[in-house]
Amino acid sequence: EADIYQTPRYLVIGTGKKITLECSQTMGHDKMYWYQQDPGMELHLIHYSYGVNSTEKGDLSSESTVSRIRTEHFPLTLESARPSHTSQYLCASSVSSQGTQYFGPGTRLLVL
Amino acid sequence: TQLLEQSPQFLSIQEGENLTVYCNSSSVFSSLQWYRQEPGEGPVLLVTVVTGGEVKKLKRLTFQFGDARKDSSLHITAAQPGDTGLYLCAGVSRGSNYKLTFGKGTLLTVNP
Repeated sequence: EADIYQTPRYLVIGTGKKITLECSQTMGHDKMYWYQQDPGMELHLIHYSYGVNSTEKGDLSSESTVSRIRTEHFPLTLESARPSHTSQYLCASSVSSQGTQYFGPGTRLLVL
Repeated sequence: TQLLEQSPQFLSIQEGENLTVYCNSSSVFSSLQWYRQEPGEGPVLLVTVVTGGEVKKLKRLTFQFGDARKDSSLHITAAQPGDTGLYLCAGVSRGSNYKLTFGKGTLLTVNP
């Protein structure tokens, strides 16, 4: 069973607010990922990290930013939320030598 | 760009029926994962296949990786309402540094 956690699970905020979505894993995985997914749709990779102090943008352009100061922690920040940011955000992690990724439960964000 | 095509996109069946969903690509993958995702949750890993021609069984679920490692199938025997969910396949291709390419998924509904 994967030990990867995301908070908050649900978030409703107003336009212009700054938010940080938290993601932590206790498996010691070096690789971590953020995906964006609209209901019933495919996953789009928006950020990934191959280790501490390593971050890269994914295939889908996003106005969010990420940081990786500790192995277990990979937070995602939106400086000024907009309704177009409404979506589900999924965090995942994997071991360096394998492709299998383990997902957190997700954060459902609604920006009014 | 590697693409994974999943079919069918939607499937609604009665409890007790058998079904097969497909995941196809023109690209070769070094490994392929199947996930099941329930509404409002993150994808949960079902299986990873790595060898061409490999067959893996997980209770009533049978997964097959094509000989050429370009396609995969998931067969469910005697489907139950608890099997309802979005089934996603995802592949790791050589040179991708273990980033996953996801299909759009098959949304399965099993009616009691």
